[in-house]
Amino acid sequence: DARVTQTPRHKVTEMGQEVTMRCQPILGHNTVFWYRQTMMQGLELLAYFRNRAPLDDSGMPKDRFSAEMPDATLATLKIQPSEPRDSAVYFCASGLDIRMQPQHFGDGTRLSIL
Amino acid sequence: GENVEQHPSTLSVQEGDSAVIKCTYSDSASNYFPWYKQELGKRPQLIIDIRSNVGEKKDQRIAVTLNKTAKHFSLHITETQPEDSAVYFCAATEPGGFKTIFGAGTRLFVKA
Repeated sequence: DARVTQTPRHKVTEMGQEVTMRCQPILGHNTVFWYRQTMMQGLELLAYFRNRAPLDDSGMPKDRFSAEMPDATLATLKIQPSEPRDSAVYFCASGLDIRMQPQHFGDGTRLSIL
Repeated sequence: GENVEQHPSTLSVQEGDSAVIKCTYSDSASNYFPWYKQELGKRPQLIIDIRSNVGEKKDQRIAVTLNKTAKHFSLHITETQPEDSAVYFCAATEPGGFKTIFGAGTRLFVKA
């Protein structure tokens, strides 16, 4: 059963520190999405990629967040400097750029900024 | 762009009763509508989906209906069980692509 892999699963750090979250999409998937979820609320889309190219990162605070795909098997989301309001669960999802196909979510990174 | 509204935000039912969650979307060209279930502390998982050329789809106790004219779709869960308690998200995929817009979620409580 292929799954999206996210690391770390949990991260606790102090305000001002850099945070890097990683995602390995399902092999063969060419679209990758980053979502943020707070207190079991809605899924806020931060950024997404197709064939490693960023298509939309309008949901991301540009001054502190950055998202990249160094290669087809790795997507990263960085926060620098981190702030307490960044505390949330960050989900990565992957899919195929074929119409009418679902996204598959990873288990998320639970981030706490003290 | 697409906008998805979901109602109710919270739903409480007695075990064995049915639960219905409704969603509306704004872009008439959207053509794919997945539903995800998220248990506490877990990832959202696809439970059922429907494509725009279909009006209804059923999988055991779960069914989805789609009304393209009215731009709304619904999730129906029959014979609810305590393990159905979770947050359910509807979603619509923007036309021509794969960007999926999610509703705000419905927290379902099934009381034993």
